[in-house]
Amino acid sequence: AQKVTQAQTEISVVEKEDVTLDCVYETRDTTYYLFWYKQPPSGELVFLIRRNSFDEQNEISGRYSWNFQKSTSSFNFTITASQVVDSAVYFCALALRSGYSTLTFGKGTMLLVSP
Amino acid sequence: EAGVTQFPSHSVIEKGQTVTLRCDPISGHDNLYWYRRVMGKEIKFLLHFVKESKQDESGMPNNRFLAERTGGTYSTLKVQPAELEDSGVYFCASSQEGRAGEHEQFFGPGTRLTVL
Repeated sequence: AQKVTQAQTEISVVEKEDVTLDCVYETRDTTYYLFWYKQPPSGELVFLIRRNSFDEQNEISGRYSWNFQKSTSSFNFTITASQVVDSAVYFCALALRSGYSTLTFGKGTMLLVSP
Repeated sequence: EAGVTQFPSHSVIEKGQTVTLRCDPISGHDNLYWYRRVMGKEIKFLLHFVKESKQDESGMPNNRFLAERTGGTYSTLKVQPAELEDSGVYFCASSQEGRAGEHEQFFGPGTRLTVL
């Protein structure tokens, strides 16, 4: 069975600091997808990124960047120059390619950015 | 285009009562998922519909939970009778035709259920 671990329960930073959210996953499948979702105070889960297991290229989108390393089964998420609006709970998730596998989520990391 | 909607946003009921949660997926999305997050824990899968058929209900906790998806459109999740441990946030998500990882799952805002 697959598993996603987000060891950081809560992180507090001051605005403009860089912050990295860790995600480690476990699966025996060779083909899978990794996701990050953001849950702001309003409650809905907002999709941030989807990454195929065959694509290890790092990705940057504005202040967000993702570092995917299969060798360590990690898919870490970095926010550069954090802002108060980044305060949210962030979830990492895994979906297998086989069958109709659903999303397996980590416990989430609450990020608090103070002014 | 409207996103995934869920009703109600909050529900407070007493142990032993019945509650029905509703989810309206994005129009045209064949896949509909129900998830639940108990306070401080992971978001856990409950079940998956493909159109009106249950593809996977391995995450349903017990037979007090009943999910339906009439005509492949909206879905309901009924809890009867509710127990204290059923408290949590119930999320619904939908995605286009295909397997879980192939397309983004769009989530609704969730229904916060509190059982007293």
